[in-house]
Amino acid sequence: SQELEQSPQSLIVQEGKNLTINCTSSKTLYGLYWYKQKYGEGLIFLMMLQKGGEEKSHEKITAKLDEKKQQSSLHITASQPSHAGIYLCGETLDYKLSFGAGTTVTVRA
Amino acid sequence: EAQVTQNPRYLITVTGKKLTVTCSQNMNHEYMSWYRQDPGLGLRQIYYSMNVEVTDKGDVPEGYKVSRKEKRNFPLILESPSPNQTSLYFCASSYSGPSYNEQFFGPGTRLTVL
Repeated sequence: SQELEQSPQSLIVQEGKNLTINCTSSKTLYGLYWYKQKYGEGLIFLMMLQKGGEEKSHEKITAKLDEKKQQSSLHITASQPSHAGIYLCGETLDYKLSFGAGTTVTVRA
Repeated sequence: EAQVTQNPRYLITVTGKKLTVTCSQNMNHEYMSWYRQDPGLGLRQIYYSMNVEVTDKGDVPEGYKVSRKEKRNFPLILESPSPNQTSLYFCASSYSGPSYNEQFFGPGTRLTVL
């Protein structure tokens, strides 16, 4: 199965600062998904990207898929405590869904 | 309320004692799947089902069984649990296949096998 690499593995950000998470694939992504998980809880869908160069925003979160469709980034502007959690990127191949290992975000007041 | 429910939420058992984790969705979704989440390994797919009576292996199916006799239910069966199956398990569903469809996740089942 195609492997997704996420970076960084974890990060600590001061409240109000911006942060960026990256998700990289060795092959072309046909659909890239971003989910958020609060510790020990289920995943919540954030965004889905399909086209090269596509960018989507929801509140203070922006996700982009590069033109080659091999890398995606998730950017949070002016982070808040509610942004803390684990962010996972995922992609589908046939009928399977695979995820990166996740990025743990801690927001310090 | 549209949701995916899992039971039990927490389970401690012993090696070799058969167990079933139930999963149910009330959204009439065709696609359902099971994942396990382990530190450093992320979320890995165990089995998925495209519809009633149609199931297939994910990336880590060894030691697990599933069935899909009804559209709403997709139980995960561990016939002879072992300590390496200690993990956090998630069930998810979507309207159709995972491509271009949001997955709705259950709250998780934390399983410990002694």
